[in-house]
Amino acid sequence: DIQMTQSPSTLSASVGDRVTITCRASQSISGWLAWYQQKPGKAPQVLIYKASRLGTGVPSRFSGSGSGTEFTLTISSLQPDDFASYYCQQYISYPLTIGGGTKVEIK
Amino acid sequence: EVQLVESGGGLVQPGGSLRLSCAASGFTFSSYWMSWVRQAPGKGLEWVANIKEDGSQKFYVDSVKGRFTVSRDNAKNSLYLQMNSLRAEDTAVYYCARYSGDDSFQYWGQGTLVTVSS
Repeated sequence: DIQMTQSPSTLSASVGDRVTITCRASQSISGWLAWYQQKPGKAPQVLIYKASRLGTGVPSRFSGSGSGTEFTLTISSLQPDDFASYYCQQYISYPLTIGGGTKVEIK
Repeated sequence: EVQLVESGGGLVQPGGSLRLSCAASGFTFSSYWMSWVRQAPGKGLEWVANIKEDGSQKFYVDSVKGRFTVSRDNAKNSLYLQMNSLRAEDTAVYYCARYSGDDSFQYWGQGTLVTVSS
């Protein structure tokens, strides 16, 4: 199974900050990586797919990069609506696996 | 507008069974793989199962193999998850999601809570 490791697990930041979350795969997944945002009590929503493609309706302050085993999600200027949990997920092979999550908190 | 609405969750005793349903609308259901993803209270997301457009292929996470069965009825635009031999560790919110090999879980339902407890 491919293990997905996110860091950090918690991140404290202020509105306007540039935020970067890292996701590492235990083996190469090429670009088959998605990022999701989840707010408390709500279903996750896709932000990025194929490592760098922006989901429908997702603000351009979100971007994804990387390939192989190292990936990043960047929020260029953190907004109040962005305080949430973020998850990476590989979909190159079964079982589909999801990182442990990164909670972005208000500093 | 794509809509996925789960139902069937509830409280069940260990060893019991439960059947979850997911009603889909707003897209051609028979043209997409579908998924179940769960989230234990206060924990992260865990993929549970996938089923191909015509139901001919199914994949499961190891922890539910032999206990859970994913199925679909394309005539009813519905996805199902039959859960048997339930354990406390199956307690979670269960989401159905539309899946594709291009953009993964593009759409999600609101989830249904399954609690396994005596």
